[in-house]
Amino acid sequence: GENVEQHPSTLSVQEGDSAVIKCTYSDSASNYFPWYKQELGKRPQLIIDIRSNVGEKKDQRIAVTLNKTAKHFSLHITETQPEDSAVYFCAASSRASKIIFGSGTRLSIRP
Amino acid sequence: GAGVSQSPSNKVTEKGKDVELRCDPISGHTALYWYRQSLGQGLEFLIYFQGNSAPDKSGLPSDRFSAERTGGSVSTLTIQRTQQEDSAVYLCASSLEGTTHNEQFFGPGTRLTVL
Repeated sequence: GENVEQHPSTLSVQEGDSAVIKCTYSDSASNYFPWYKQELGKRPQLIIDIRSNVGEKKDQRIAVTLNKTAKHFSLHITETQPEDSAVYFCAASSRASKIIFGSGTRLSIRP
Repeated sequence: GAGVSQSPSNKVTEKGKDVELRCDPISGHTALYWYRQSLGQGLEFLIYFQGNSAPDKSGLPSDRFSAERTGGSVSTLTIQRTQQEDSAVYLCASSLEGTTHNEQFFGPGTRLTVL
């Protein structure tokens, strides 16, 4: 069945540095790739998404890239700040299937 | 407007008892999802509703778990004869439609503890 793998499971970066989280998916029909952020004790919230007709999308300090040939997509956070500390989930879906979530990355920003 | 709401926020029950968890989706959202999240873990898909029907029940862990949705709105997740391994946060999410890549809005979750 469909599968989404996410790496790393934990990531610690110095404040101001960049963070990169990578995901791979198995279903070649996947064409929608959202990213969710879950702060401690809170509900997951969508931070950015990308569809298969583009290779990159940016929103201020966050960007997502997609390589459909390799079935890879990544989240990039630049100039990290303490409020970026959270668990991040990637996900993938196609028109015919439900969204499949990755296992999550716990990002910690060191002061 | 109001977001997704869930009740109760916390539920403590004894092993073997039945529990019902409720989800009120955003008004007008036709798709509704249930997930389970154990401490420090990812989002485990349980079931998905499109309107009142459930096209995908593949994530329900056992026949002790069931869910229904009536009137295309409120959904109830029922766990019968609860076990300690059922302890987790149960999250509900809704979206405008299930297969047209709309954002899922999550509720605050119900934290279930089975003693």
